[in-house]
Parts: sequence; C-alpha cells; structure tokens
Amino acid sequence: DTGVSQDPRHKITKRGQNVTFRCDPISEHNRLYWYRQTLGQGPEFLTYFQNEAQLEKSRLLSDRFSAERPKGSFSTLEIQRTEQGDSAMYLCASRGYKQFFGPGTRLTVL
Amino acid sequence: GIQVEQSPPDLILQEGANSTLRCNFSDSVNNLQWFHQNPWGQLINLFYIPSGTKQNGRLSATTVATERYSLLYISSSQTTDSGVYFCAADSGNTPLVFGKGTRLSVIA
Repeated sequence: DTGVSQDPRHKITKRGQNVTFRCDPISEHNRLYWYRQTLGQGPEFLTYFQNEAQLEKSRLLSDRFSAERPKGSFSTLEIQRTEQGDSAMYLCASRGYKQFFGPGTRLTVL
Repeated sequence: GIQVEQSPPDLILQEGANSTLRCNFSDSVNNLQWFHQNPWGQLINLFYIPSGTKQNGRLSATTVATERYSLLYISSSQTTDSGVYFCAADSGNTPLVFGKGTRLSVIA
C-alpha cells in the first residue's frame, strides 16, 4: 500500500522549541496539502503545493510556519518558536481527483 | 470562499438502523467529497461525488449541485461505522473546505 505517510506520529515539545514534520504523498499525485485539526473541528487548510511550487497559504499560517516540497516529492512543515496554541493534529493529504490523508502528526506543546 | 455546513452535529443510532447525513454548501462546486474519521483519527475517503449518486456497499451518496446539497446514506449501521463524517468541497483548483462534521455513535 503506497498511501500517504507522515512522520513522526506524535511529537511533544516545550514552548519555544522548533519542530519539523515530514509527509510522503502518493507518488503519482502532484498536489500536496497541509491541514491542521483541533478537537471537535474539521480539518483547516494551511498550505498546498503543486509539484514543488507552493501555490496558496492560509491566513492561519503565521510567519512561524514554513513548508517546503523540494523536487516535488516529500514535504516538510516546520514550526518555529512553538506556542501552546500550536497543539493540534497536523494532517497531510495528496490528491489526484480524490483526496487521501496521512495518519497525521499529533503535536503537544507544553 | 465556499462555506460548508453539516447536519446533524451528533447522531446516535442503534445497530441496524439507517441514517441520512446532510451537507449544504454556499456556492457552486467542482468537487465534493465525503470522509470518515475513525476513532483513531484516520480520515478515509468515502466518495468523490460532485454530482449524481454513487453507492459503495451499505453507503451511498447523492449530490444535487443545482440545489447546493449532498446527502450521505448509511444503511444497516454497524458499530464500526462510528466516528465523524466530514463533507468537503471546492469551487475549482482550490483546496477542499471542510464542514464541522457529524459525529455518529452506533450502539450495539
């Protein structure tokens, strides 16, 4: 099964630390999305790539967040100077016509 | 941008019962998809259904694009159907916008 994978699955960090998450999409999909989900809410869009180009960023994505997709393959999402409000599930998805999600990275900021 | 509203927010069913979940969207859509989020948090794509009707086992979905709504039918519900069902839509080459979901609990 070559679905969407994410690493790590869980991350606990202290406020002020930097964290980086990785996403490996389905290989034939050129569109890759990052979402954030908090308890009781639906996924909220953060940013998306078509191949290596970052085409759209949500207003939710503060300057402390940066995402890359070098060579149009895997993607990384970095959060600098984490805050307690960053605690959430970070979801990656890739899309042909149907969108498929990875298992998510659950971030807890202490 | 598109707004997506789902109803009901919560639903409790006895095993074997049928249910209908509704999704309303605020604008014309190019793409509508239904997802199930299981109790472990994994989002599973159920249907890609910008218009028309599709069936997959005990699940079926209908989208009436001209009236801006979609319905997800679950027949003969099982405890494994529990979780949160999300509807998501976009209006073109844009990211999917998700509703807040319907939380379904199926009781044995």
